[in-house]
Amino acid sequence: ELKVEQNPLFLSMQEGKNYTIYCNYSTTSDRLYWYRQDPGKSLESLFVLLSNGAVKQEGRLMASLDTKARLSTLHITAAVHDLSATYFCAAQNTNAGKSTFGDGTTLTVKP
Amino acid sequence: DTEVTQTPKHLVMGMTNKKSLKCEQHMGHRAMYWYKQKAKKPPELMFVYSYEKLSINESVPSRFSPECPNSSLLNLHLHALQPEDSALYLCASSQGVSWHQPQHFGDGTRLSIL
Repeated sequence: ELKVEQNPLFLSMQEGKNYTIYCNYSTTSDRLYWYRQDPGKSLESLFVLLSNGAVKQEGRLMASLDTKARLSTLHITAAVHDLSATYFCAAQNTNAGKSTFGDGTTLTVKP
Repeated sequence: DTEVTQTPKHLVMGMTNKKSLKCEQHMGHRAMYWYKQKAKKPPELMFVYSYEKLSINESVPSRFSPECPNSSLLNLHLHALQPEDSALYLCASSQGVSWHQPQHFGDGTRLSIL
């Protein structure tokens, strides 16, 4: 059974600082997703990572995938308040449509 | 604004009521999903429809009954729910279950069981 662990679960950071969220998964996965969820809102897709060494960037967020280590990271550069949200990673290892989500990282960016 | 539309946004019902949640997408996606999300928890998959056929049922109690009338619509029929079923119910769609594309989520229906 595929398990996904994220850490940290809670992250409080100051504006302008850098930090990384980690996502480990237990078995081979052929795709890794990152989503963002604002309080009381739905999930928004951020990145899809498919292959070893894949790196994608959007604004202050950069996601990478190491399939050998079964690890994905979401790096935040020079955080701003607007990035405050909960970030989920989700892994999928079948073509059946089932994604397994991590518990989420709640990020709070303080001035 | 999301491209997956869910109605109603909020629903309060008693344990003996019957109600339905509706989900609609017009992106031509052929896979649709129902998730349940409790506060401060990740979404839990309930059902997956692929080409209008049920492909995954994650051992969901029979008081939840999904229906996919056509490729754009997904319903979740509710009957005799329990207080622990109170949650945010999210619908999502994707191009297909085997496509390497993310799921697009609706805004959800916040369900409260009295």
